[in-house]
Amino acid sequence: EIVMTQSPATLSVSPGESATLSCRASQTVSSNLAWYQQKPGQAPRLLIYDGSTRATGIPAKFSGSGSGTDFTLTISSLQSEDFAVYYCQQYDNWPPLTFGGGTRVEIK
Amino acid sequence: EVQLLESGGGLAQPGGSLRLSCAASGFTFRHFDMTWVRQAPGKGLEWVSAITETGDTSYYADSVKGRFTISRDNSKNTLYLQMNSLRADDTAVYYCAKDLRYSYGWGQGTLVTVSS
Repeated sequence: EIVMTQSPATLSVSPGESATLSCRASQTVSSNLAWYQQKPGQAPRLLIYDGSTRATGIPAKFSGSGSGTDFTLTISSLQSEDFAVYYCQQYDNWPPLTFGGGTRVEIK
Repeated sequence: EVQLLESGGGLAQPGGSLRLSCAASGFTFRHFDMTWVRQAPGKGLEWVSAITETGDTSYYADSVKGRFTISRDNSKNTLYLQMNSLRADDTAVYYCAKDLRYSYGWGQGTLVTVSS
């Protein structure tokens, strides 16, 4: 099973600033990585797939990069609606599909 | 617009059973693989099970293998999760999601609580 590790667990950011979230896989997943955003009481929403492709309707402020074992989600100019929990998920070697533990982006 | 509506959650006793349903609309259900993902209270996301578009092949997390069964009825546009031998650590919100490798559409989830 591929273990996904996200860091940091919590990121405090001031509105208008950028956030950089990390995700590391225990073995290579090529570019088979997705990022999701989840707000309290809501279902996850797909942001990025194939490591760097934005899902339909996702604004350009969200960008994904990386391949192999190390990935990054960058969120530029954070607004109130961007404060949420973000998960990475690999789909290279499954089952099982595996998620990272999440990064909570909170208002500083 | 993809719509997924889960139902069937509730309170079950340890060792008991529940059957979750997920009614799909807004897309051609029979053309898509489907997935169940769960989230324990205050915890992260855990993949549970998936099924191919025809229902011929299913996949399970080790934590539910032998206890849960995924199925689908393409004539009813509905996905199911039969959960037997429930344990306290099965307590979670269960989401159905469209697609298998990564999921564009998710339902709002149904809460399953396993407690005596």
